[in-house]
Amino acid sequence: DTGVSQNPRHKITKRGQNVTFRCDPISEHNRLYWYRQTLGQGPEFLTYFQNEAQLEKSRLLSDRFSAERPKGSFSTLEIQRTEQGDSAMYLCASSLTLTANEQFFGPGTRLTVL
Amino acid sequence: EDKVVQSPLSLVVHEGDTVTLNCSYEVTNFRSLLWYKQEKKAPTFLFMLTSSGIEKKSGRLSSILDKKELFSILNITATQTGDSAIYLCAVGSSNTGKLIFGQGTTLQVKP
Repeated sequence: DTGVSQNPRHKITKRGQNVTFRCDPISEHNRLYWYRQTLGQGPEFLTYFQNEAQLEKSRLLSDRFSAERPKGSFSTLEIQRTEQGDSAMYLCASSLTLTANEQFFGPGTRLTVL
Repeated sequence: EDKVVQSPLSLVVHEGDTVTLNCSYEVTNFRSLLWYKQEKKAPTFLFMLTSSGIEKKSGRLSSILDKKELFSILNITATQTGDSAIYLCAVGSSNTGKLIFGQGTTLQVKP
């Protein structure tokens, strides 16, 4: 499968715990994006990388959220001290720089914070 | 503030009907408008539109962009139950990599 992959697909955690999600983009894509989607809403931008450089972060991204893409390939999104309001689907997408808006999404990680 | 608004928010039709979904936007430095279909998983790419008045077509789906009036429509003809999904409209700007999504239109096609 040459599409975007994400792990885990589902995560249930208790409030206050830390969680980490992984995204593997389409292999030749140098841009990687993270979005969050809650029920009844469209995806909401969190952050994106070009290669290993994090180029933009949403103002919605609190200090508890951190993302990395250390070698310009896969990326991780960590949420520290999770809150119930963090419950959502976390989507990863990738694209080429040249066609940056043509983004292809992975299956998402559904986070439930109890 | 950049925004994308879709209408209607939900729609119920019967198989064989034709539907039109609307998307209006206010985005700084518009670059492209995209349509995605989302079933119980991640959004799947349908179309990307960058030029006004040029229709993009794929089977029973078609879409067109009006950059003067800042809107796009997605048409689905001869709907089938497999078309039931959330249809998302997103807009990208030229000075940022992010997509700004609308709320989505939930389409239900009844047999």
